[in-house]
Amino acid sequence: DAGVIQSPRHEVTEMGQEVTLRCKPISGHNSLFWYRQTMMRGLELLIYFNNNVPIDDSGMPEDRFSAKMPNASFSTLKIQPSEPRDSAVYFCASSPRTPRGGQPQHFGDGTRLSIL
Amino acid sequence: SQQGEEDPQALSIQEGENATMNCSYKTSINNLQWYRQNSGRGLVHLILIRSNEREKHSGRLRVTLDTSKKSSSLLITASRAADTASYFCATDGGNTGKLIFGQGTTLQVKP
Repeated sequence: DAGVIQSPRHEVTEMGQEVTLRCKPISGHNSLFWYRQTMMRGLELLIYFNNNVPIDDSGMPEDRFSAKMPNASFSTLKIQPSEPRDSAVYFCASSPRTPRGGQPQHFGDGTRLSIL
Repeated sequence: SQQGEEDPQALSIQEGENATMNCSYKTSINNLQWYRQNSGRGLVHLILIRSNEREKHSGRLRVTLDTSKKSSSLLITASRAADTASYFCATDGGNTGKLIFGQGTTLQVKP
C-alpha cells in the first residue's frame, strides 16, 4: 500500500521566496496533519483537517503560513515570504477518523526545508 | 507546548540488553501512543494504549500506562542494532485525533 507521499523531499531557497510543500494522504484517511520538526522545538502540530476542513490551525506560526486541502487526496502548506527561521523538516500525516478516536497517524518522510 | 516529556533524553545500550523509556504527561488522556523515528525518516506508529488499559504487548515491545501518575513506559526487550532510533510518546486528549508529542528519547544500540 502506498503510504503518505510528500514532495519535494528537499527544498533549498532564498529568504523571501514562496515555498509550497505538498502531501498526498493515504486513500480513505479523512484526517490530515501538518507538523514541523526542529531540534529546538521538537515536533509541533501546525494544522489539521478532518474531511478536508481545517479544524485547528492554532499551531500555524504566523500569517506567512497557509494550508489548504482542496480534496481528499491532496494538501499543500505554503510559506510566503519564507524566512531562515522557517528552516525545518515538515511532515504530513494522515489517519482514519472514527467516533472512538485514537487512531494511529501515518507519516510521510518529510520535506527538509532550508531557507538561506 | 509539549504534553509529554520523555526520560531519558538519550540512552545507549549493548545489543541484547533491554531498553526502557519513560513518558510523563500533564492532562487527562483518551489514549497514549508510541512512535519510532529513524534518522531522516518519518515517524512510525508502534503501539497505542487506551486510558482504561494498564499494559500492552507487541512483539518485543511492552507498554505500561499509569493514569494516576500520568506516566507511561516503553520497554524494548532483547534490543537489536536496528532498534537504534528516536522514540516519541504522544497523547490524545480527546476525540479529535489530535496528538501532542513529547521531545523523544534517542536510543543507540551498539552491536
